Amino acid sequence: ETGVTQSPTHLIKTRGQQVTLRCSSQSGHNTVSWYQQALGQGPQFIFQYYREEENGRGNFPPRFSGLQFPNYSSELNVNALELDDSALYLCASSLGLAGGSNEQFFGPGTRLTVL
Amino acid sequence: DAKTTQPPSMDCAEGRAANLPCNHSTISGNEYVYWYRQIHSQGPQYIIHGLKNNETNEMASLIITEDRKSSTLILPHATLRDTAVYYCIVRALYGNKLVFGAGTILRVKS
Repeated sequence: ETGVTQSPTHLIKTRGQQVTLRCSSQSGHNTVSWYQQALGQGPQFIFQYYREEENGRGNFPPRFSGLQFPNYSSELNVNALELDDSALYLCASSLGLAGGSNEQFFGPGTRLTVL
Repeated sequence: DAKTTQPPSMDCAEGRAANLPCNHSTISGNEYVYWYRQIHSQGPQYIIHGLKNNETNEMASLIITEDRKSSTLILPHATLRDTAVYYCIVRALYGNKLVFGAGTILRVKS
């Protein structure tokens, strides 16, 4: 069983640029969620994708967007980068939507630094 | 989603049980209690979850009070590798959004 993987591990961008982060979900999982974790804080929910459709979004502006592909891998795109976007971006996969017992499995994250 | 309250930090001696409390007084009947932990510079790791009965797995035990307003995560024999931030999360029945608070920093000391 393959775990959740993310790429790249680290990334440095400048203000105003665009970035794409990638996530491969755990084998058999069809749901991917993205979180942003600023230094010293808990992860904050960005959005979730279920079977290629967005299913829920947190309090993030539209310049944060995403995709999920038929193989359930996912991308997070951030346009017009701001300094405050510097954070650890976490991807989590799970199986299905309904049911409180479906735990999420997290990847190691991508550390984004915006200069 | 119900809000949780955890102490900001705790210390535990290696080999002893670590008992991490969590208050979730506004939990509703169909919400589960989840525990995750995050070791420095890694993604959060699922530990255990429960609805109203006590639960145990190879990592930990979860004790939920009868009124479900609080719970305790127990690491029976803490090791140095258990040093991490522990998050108590109450999650709605539908959807997979996890609402993380600040968590408890557990320091296991030799």
